Amino acid sequence: DAGVTQSPTHLIKTRGQQVTLRCSPISGHKSVSWYQQVLGQGPQFIFQYYEKEERGRGNFPDRFSARQFPNYSSELNVNALLLGDSALYLCASSPPQGATKDNEQFFGPGTRLTVL
Amino acid sequence: RKEVEQDPGPFNVPEGATVAFNCTYSNSASQSFFWYRQDCRKEPKLLMSVYSSGNEDGRFTAQLNRASQYISLLIRDSKLSDSATYLCVVRRDTGRRALTFGSGTRLQVQP
Repeated sequence: DAGVTQSPTHLIKTRGQQVTLRCSPISGHKSVSWYQQVLGQGPQFIFQYYEKEERGRGNFPDRFSARQFPNYSSELNVNALLLGDSALYLCASSPPQGATKDNEQFFGPGTRLTVL
Repeated sequence: RKEVEQDPGPFNVPEGATVAFNCTYSNSASQSFFWYRQDCRKEPKLLMSVYSSGNEDGRFTAQLNRASQYISLLIRDSKLSDSATYLCVVRRDTGRRALTFGSGTRLQVQP
């Protein structure tokens, strides 16, 4: 089975630009979460979506937004990019509660965003 | 104060050594606990869940002390392939099920 996939793998943008990152969860997973990992830190929670509805939001500004599509894939959008947005953006999916390994989040390889 | 605190290391140990990592968490509402492993420039992967009774998976043993809000990971007989960053992770199981990560402890096992 394919794991969580993310695109693109790398991205370079300049300050003020906008970026869209994409994530496809593992087949059968309906929950998708986004995390930001700055160099030297652990991942920090941005958003969680389940069945196309936002279920949680971390402490990030309104420049960050996301959505989930009927096929459970997801997009993360960041507007008005700042230098500090340079990070690895990770997407994770998890099985429905009650399913095998429902306690685990499976991470994709991430998108490495550099803002110049 | 960070919600999950870890010693960043690095811990440099010889092959075959036993090494222990500690972690403290501040939110008493945390209900699930994990250790994740992250290799350089890769995504985090679940190493093991942590239960109150303590649990073991091969060379790895995890312990949880809810009263002290303290989590530990013990690695016995270290292998070169254990070199990685180990992330302590907590989660509330009500409402949003987001993971809260520590900054990680870097382990370097040397030949």
